[in-house]
Amino acid sequence: NAGVTQTPKFQVLKTGQSMTLQCAQDMNHNSMYWYRQDPGMGLRLIYYSASEGTTDKGEVPNGYNVSRLNKREFSLRLESAAPSQTSVYFCASSEDRGGQPQHFGDGTRLSIL
Amino acid sequence: QKEVEQDPGPLSVPEGAIVSLNCTYSNSAFQYFMWYRQYSRKGPELLMYTYSSGNKEDGRFTAQVDKSSKYISLFIRDSQPSDSATYLCAMDGWGKLQFGAGTQVVVTP
Repeated sequence: NAGVTQTPKFQVLKTGQSMTLQCAQDMNHNSMYWYRQDPGMGLRLIYYSASEGTTDKGEVPNGYNVSRLNKREFSLRLESAAPSQTSVYFCASSEDRGGQPQHFGDGTRLSIL
Repeated sequence: QKEVEQDPGPLSVPEGAIVSLNCTYSNSAFQYFMWYRQYSRKGPELLMYTYSSGNKEDGRFTAQVDKSSKYISLFIRDSQPSDSATYLCAMDGWGKLQFGAGTQVVVTP
């Protein structure tokens, strides 16, 4: 039982390049989330999907897009990477939205030069 | 002003001591309170989950919620070097989980 799996674990991009971060969960959770974690800023919500077929913006959505591919998978895309997007990205899932604890993957460390 | 305030530390304690962590918050709508532990280069791991005011104990860990003071605490008894990590508080009131910035804890042998 892997929980939440993120790929890749590390990535270095050049400014302007695009890439997709992948996330899959095997807990049959309805809700999934993407966060970024920066020193001193804590975890900030980028996008979330309350249920299959829906996505909504979080606190810091600019420069990102998401796709809820199916119940298990939720991807995050950077269309034109910028140095300000250098961060550690975490995917999380919860049984439902609202009052439920979230379970996290181990993150993708992304550097944009 | 942030909705959730947490002292970043680092908090250094000797092995066997009690670790005391806390968060304050401003929004009285929060009803669900959580503590996560995050090891270096790992994702946050859920430690404690409580609803509304009161205490909850799980092994060496005790979580306290005081809604009247808008204050939550986590106590770790008989601390071990393996408890060295960053501890994040989190709270939810309307389907949006708000995190504190995390407190780094170092337990020295």
